[in-house]
Amino acid sequence: GAGVSQSPRYKVAKRGQDVALRCDPISGHVSLFWYQQALGQGPEFLTYFQNEAQLDKSGLPSDRFFAERPEGSVSTLKIQRTQQEDSAVYLCASSLVRTSYNEQFFGPGTRLTVL
Amino acid sequence: AQSVAQPEDQVNVAEGNPLTVKCTYSVSGNPYLFWYVQYPNRGLQFLLKYITGDNLVKGSYGFEAEFNKSQTSFHLKKPSALVSDSALYFCAVREPGGGYNKLIFGAGTRLAVHP
Repeated sequence: GAGVSQSPRYKVAKRGQDVALRCDPISGHVSLFWYQQALGQGPEFLTYFQNEAQLDKSGLPSDRFFAERPEGSVSTLKIQRTQQEDSAVYLCASSLVRTSYNEQFFGPGTRLTVL
Repeated sequence: AQSVAQPEDQVNVAEGNPLTVKCTYSVSGNPYLFWYVQYPNRGLQFLLKYITGDNLVKGSYGFEAEFNKSQTSFHLKKPSALVSDSALYFCAVREPGGGYNKLIFGAGTRLAVHP
């Protein structure tokens, strides 16, 4: 079946531009996570949705980062006024239920380069 | 605070030889532990998890991992390495309980299997 998809796969932005990154989770998955993976590092948690509710946004690095999941399926991560330090791969993951022992299924990521 | 350590940046092994990728963790209570693999330009793929029960966990592609509570370790192993196993491997931990709880990843270990 279809896995988690993300678009675009690659995005180049000039410093100061706004960007929007899309995630299509696996159909029926309740939980959705966004992670940021800097070069040579492991993914770091950004935010979590249970259906349409954003229950944890403690990992968002600044108020320039905003995420939404208005209908409980597709999610968008928006970064306003991009900075060079925002350059990273942004990973989306979904999970069938909210319990912590279920594995998360990851998308291929969006590689953001801010010039 | 939870943390995961992968002490080796890279592991080199000859094809056909056994491999071990090390992981240690720090978490309050009993942990939920995961291994993921990342191939170039692809998202993380779930390999295996430890929740409870038998300390030896078997996963995808012939991989297994051993949970050692006294040493707070969860090393990934495979009896006979393949060249196609060459990839980036991440260990991750989640706090137990009924909540969703985010994954905390190690920095990753690059496995290189030589013919």
